[in-house]
Amino acid sequence: ETGVTQSPTHLIKTRGQQVTLRCSSQSGHNTVSWYQQALGQGPQFIFQYYREEENGRGNFPPRFSGLQFPNYSSELNVNALELDDSALYLCASSLFRGPEFDEQFFGPGTRLTVL
Amino acid sequence: AQTVTQSQPEMSVQEAETVTLSCTYDTSENNYYLFWYKQPPSRQMILVIRQEAYKQQNATENRFSVNFQKAAKSFSLKISDSQLGDTAMYFCAFMKAGANSKLTFGKGITLSVRP
Repeated sequence: ETGVTQSPTHLIKTRGQQVTLRCSSQSGHNTVSWYQQALGQGPQFIFQYYREEENGRGNFPPRFSGLQFPNYSSELNVNALELDDSALYLCASSLFRGPEFDEQFFGPGTRLTVL
Repeated sequence: AQTVTQSQPEMSVQEAETVTLSCTYDTSENNYYLFWYKQPPSRQMILVIRQEAYKQQNATENRFSVNFQKAAKSFSLKISDSQLGDTAMYFCAFMKAGANSKLTFGKGITLSVRP
């Protein structure tokens, strides 16, 4: 069973640029959630994708957008980068089966630095 | 909206001893889950233990156990026989039961296990 993978591991961008982060979900999972973890803070929910549709969004502006593909992998896109976007971006996959609990399995993260 | 508070930023414990990490939360929900996640220096977040709010019995996973006080909205983690590999950031997290399983995290606590 393959775990959650993310690419790239590290990324350096400058203000105003755009960035795409990628996530491959764990085998058999159909849901991907993205979190932003600023230095010294807990992760904050950005959004979740289920069956290629956005299924909930946290308090993040529209310049944070995402995609989920038929193989359940996902991308997080951030436009017009700001210095405060510097953070560790975590992807988590899970298997949604209805009202039951679905454990989220996290990837190692992508460290984004905005200069 | 839910909030999770971890007021201790750092703790240190001697190897083989017991340590307790504190967490409080606030919610108006009646059906929810609480979690402790571990994030070692390599960054991959791992689920340590979970508690269903409807269960009165405290969850236990090997050396890890929780003290869940629903009325007080308190959820502490006890680590017995601490090991060097327990050194990590620990996050308390909340999830409302049902679809769109978004996690709300606390700020985390850095636990150091001394040899």
